[in-house]
Amino acid sequence: KAGVTQTPRYLIKTRGQQVTLSCSPISGHRSVSWYQQTPGQGLQFLFEYFSETQRNKGNFPGRFSGRQFSNSRSEMNVSTLELGDSALYLCASSPWFDPYSYEQYFGPGTRLTVT
Amino acid sequence: ELKVEQNPLFLSMQEGKNYTIYCNYSTTSDRLYWYRQDPGKSLESLFVLLSNGAVKQEGRLMASLDTKARLSTLHITAAVHDLSATYFCAVLDDKIIFGKGTRLHILP
Repeated sequence: KAGVTQTPRYLIKTRGQQVTLSCSPISGHRSVSWYQQTPGQGLQFLFEYFSETQRNKGNFPGRFSGRQFSNSRSEMNVSTLELGDSALYLCASSPWFDPYSYEQYFGPGTRLTVT
Repeated sequence: ELKVEQNPLFLSMQEGKNYTIYCNYSTTSDRLYWYRQDPGKSLESLFVLLSNGAVKQEGRLMASLDTKARLSTLHITAAVHDLSATYFCAVLDDKIIFGKGTRLHILP
C-alpha cells in the first residue's frame, strides 16, 4: 500500500507570492491533518479534515487555508507569503473519524523556502 | 493555554545505558502521543496513550502516562545508536500541541 505523498517536496517562493501544497493520503484514509515545523516555533497544528469538512484549525492567520476533495486528497494554500512562512509542512492521514484515536501516518513533507 | 514541556531538550548518552525523557503538560487531557523524527525527515508515530496509567512498549522504548501528575515518560532501555533521533511528545486538548522535542544522541 502506498504511503502518504506530498508534492512538491521542495519549493522556493518570493515574499508576496502564494503557494499551494498537495497531500495524497493512504488509500482508504479519509482524515488528513496538516502541520508546520519551523526552528523557532517548532511543530504546530494547521488543519484537520475529514470527508471534505474542516473539523479543526490551528492558530494561523487567514492567509493559510486548506481544503479536502472527495477523493480525500488535500491541499493547503498560503497567500501573500512572508519570510516566516519558510518551514517544513507535514501532512498526515488516518483511517479514523478521530485521527488522534490511533497512530497517524505522515508524508515526507514539503520544504518551503520564502526569499 | 496548554503548555507541553519536554526535558531534557538534548541528551547525549552511551550505548547500553538507560534513560528517561519527561513530558509535562498543563491541562487535564488524557490523550498523549510520542513521535520520532530523524534528521531531515518526517515524523513517525511511536505511541498513542489514551488513558491514565496507559503503558506501551516497542522494542527498547516504553511510554507511560500519568494524567493525575500530567506527566508522560519515554523510557529507553539499553540504548543503541539507531535510536538517535528527536523525540516529540504531543497532547490533545481542543487541538494537538507539541513539545519542543528532545534531541537524543547515542554514542557508540
